[in-house]
Amino acid sequence: GNSVTQMQGQVTLSEEEFLFINCTYSTTGYPTLFWYVQYPGEGPQLLLKVTTANNKGSSRGFEATYDKGTTSFHLQKASVQESDSAVYYCVLGEDSNNRIFFGDGTQLVVKP
Amino acid sequence: EAAVTQSPRNKVAVTGGKVTLSCNQTNNHNNMYWYRQDTGHGLRLIHYSYGAGSTEKGDIPDGYKASRPSQENFSLILELATPSQTSVYFCASGRWDSYEQYFGPGTRLTVL
Repeated sequence: GNSVTQMQGQVTLSEEEFLFINCTYSTTGYPTLFWYVQYPGEGPQLLLKVTTANNKGSSRGFEATYDKGTTSFHLQKASVQESDSAVYYCVLGEDSNNRIFFGDGTQLVVKP
Repeated sequence: EAAVTQSPRNKVAVTGGKVTLSCNQTNNHNNMYWYRQDTGHGLRLIHYSYGAGSTEKGDIPDGYKASRPSQENFSLILELATPSQTSVYFCASGRWDSYEQYFGPGTRLTVL
C-alpha cells in the first residue's frame, strides 16, 4: 500500500541555522511527492511539489529532493527564520483516485 | 478571499447527538475531501467526493456519513457522536486531474 514516514516529530533550531527534514515513502506506482506546511490555527497549504520527472522542487527558499533508490524525500532550507515555525507534512500522491497520503508531520520550532 | 470555508469553527456536542460539519468551496473544483487531524496521526481521510451526488469512503469512514448536494458544498455527518470523534476536522477541494488540495481552516469538535 501507500505510506509515508516522518521520523522526526520535532526539530528545534535557532534563526539562520540549516533545516533538514527526512521523509521516506512506500508506493507501488509512480509517486508525486509534496511538502505541505501548516501554521497554527490554519489548514495545511501546499509548499512545493516534486514529480519523478524532475526530482527536485523549490519554493520560498525551501528545496526538496527525491531519491527513487532510497525512496526518500528530503526538505531543506539553508537559513531558517522564526516565521518558518510550523508543522511540515510529507505527502504522497497516488495515481488512481487523486488521493494523497500524509506523514505524521514534523513540528519545526525556530528560536530567535 | 478564502476559497474553502468551514462551519462551525468550533463545536461542542454530547455523546449520542447528531453533528453536521459543513464545507463550502468557491474554487469550482470537482473533488472534495474530509480529513481528521489527531496528534501523532497527521491527517487521515474520512470521506471524499468526485462531484455533486457522489461520496466515497476513505480510510476511516466508520461512524461518519458524507453528503455532496452541489459542486460547492460537502457535509460530514456524525449520526451518533462519540468522545473518540473529538478531533480537528479539515475539508479540502481539488481538481479532478490533480493531486493538489486546498484546505479550509478546520473545525474543532469536542464530544463530551
